[in-house]
Amino acid sequence: DAGVTQSPTHLIKTRGQHVTLRCSPISGHKSVSWYQQVLGQGPQFIFQYYEKEERGRGNFPDRFSARQFPNYSSELNVNALLLGDSALYLCASSWQGNYGYTFGSGTRLTVV
Amino acid sequence: AQKVTQAQTEISVVEKEDVTLDCVYETRDTTYYLFWYKQPPSGELVFLIRRNSFDEQNEISGRYSWNFQKSTSSFNFTITASQVVDSAVYFCALRRGNTDKLIFGTGTRLQVFP
Repeated sequence: DAGVTQSPTHLIKTRGQHVTLRCSPISGHKSVSWYQQVLGQGPQFIFQYYEKEERGRGNFPDRFSARQFPNYSSELNVNALLLGDSALYLCASSWQGNYGYTFGSGTRLTVV
Repeated sequence: AQKVTQAQTEISVVEKEDVTLDCVYETRDTTYYLFWYKQPPSGELVFLIRRNSFDEQNEISGRYSWNFQKSTSSFNFTITASQVVDSAVYFCALRRGNTDKLIFGTGTRLQVFP
């Protein structure tokens, strides 16, 4: 079975632009979470979706938004990009949150 | 407040040495879950172990072992006879019982030299 798939793997954007990151969870997993990992730090929770509903939101500005589709894949959108948004964005899926979360390889976003 | 502290920023050992990675957590919840993840240079977080707050039994999996002590709020990870392939950043994480949010520590970079 395929693991968690994220696209694109790398992305370079200019300040002020918008970006969309995509995540496909493991087949059968209904929960998807997004994390931001700045270089040298641990991942920080951004959003969690379960059955297409937002279940949790971290301390991020409204420029960050996400959604989950009927096939449980998810998109993370970031508007008005800032240099500080440069990071590795990780997606994690789980069947239910009580078990181990499986992470994708991430999308490395560079804002210039 | 929920918090995970990994005081060791970087550890360097020579192959075959044993190494322990420390993790101290803070929570007022009675139900919570603790995790360890490995992050190789590729960036993917690899799940190693999950432990719930009611299970203080230590666990051994091959060269890996975990020591969970609620009395000291610690969940330490030991690698026995380390290998070069163990080189990675290791993260400890905490999840409250009623949420799906993982709270990560800042990670410990382990370098194993041949």
